[in-house]
Amino acid sequence: SQELEQSPQSLIVQEGKNLTINCTSSKTLYGLYWYKQKYGEGLIFLMMLQKGGEEKSHEKITAKLDEKKQQSSLHITASQPSHAGIYLCGALSPGDSNYQLIWGAGTKLIIKP
Amino acid sequence: EPEVTQTPSHQVTQMGQEVILRCVPISNHLYFYWYRQILGQKVEFLVSFYNNEISEKSEIFDDQFSVERPDGSNFTLKIRSTKLEDSAMYFCASSRDIYHNEQFFGPGTRLTVL
Repeated sequence: SQELEQSPQSLIVQEGKNLTINCTSSKTLYGLYWYKQKYGEGLIFLMMLQKGGEEKSHEKITAKLDEKKQQSSLHITASQPSHAGIYLCGALSPGDSNYQLIWGAGTKLIIKP
Repeated sequence: EPEVTQTPSHQVTQMGQEVILRCVPISNHLYFYWYRQILGQKVEFLVSFYNNEISEKSEIFDDQFSVERPDGSNFTLKIRSTKLEDSAMYFCASSRDIYHNEQFFGPGTRLTVL
């Protein structure tokens, strides 16, 4: 079955600095999702990537999916306290499921003022 | 902006009791899901639901679990006889259709089984 590995597990970054979080799959990804989790707010959808080489941006967050569709990175530029939280990648895998997302363990991001 | 809502936010129950977790998906969405996250662990898929029937379910979703869409807005998860290991955060999600399958999540219900 497919596994998603996220790195790093946790990250402490000075406010204003850039950072990158990675998500690697053991199989080719059909769809790769990035979510942010904050206590009491559930999982907040950030972006979905489907095509090899695809890149999407929302405000200061950019996500990329590599050409082989097995790795994605999430990059935050000029981090702010509002970026703190747990970032989760989730994926659909053809052949296993049309519906369910499987998940990475998450990356906990702390922003130091 | 439309959002998924869940009630209650926190449910405490005794082992062996039945609980019903409620969700109101986004109104024009057709696919509904339940996930759970045990404290400190990964989010796990439980079940997906479309056209008034279960589309997929995981090994976790055994006979103690059931889902229902009793009316046009609510989507419920019932656990018949709760066990200690059912303690977790339960998330409901919905997506518009199979081609626009970004899943939007509710804030979760924290279930504590004593």
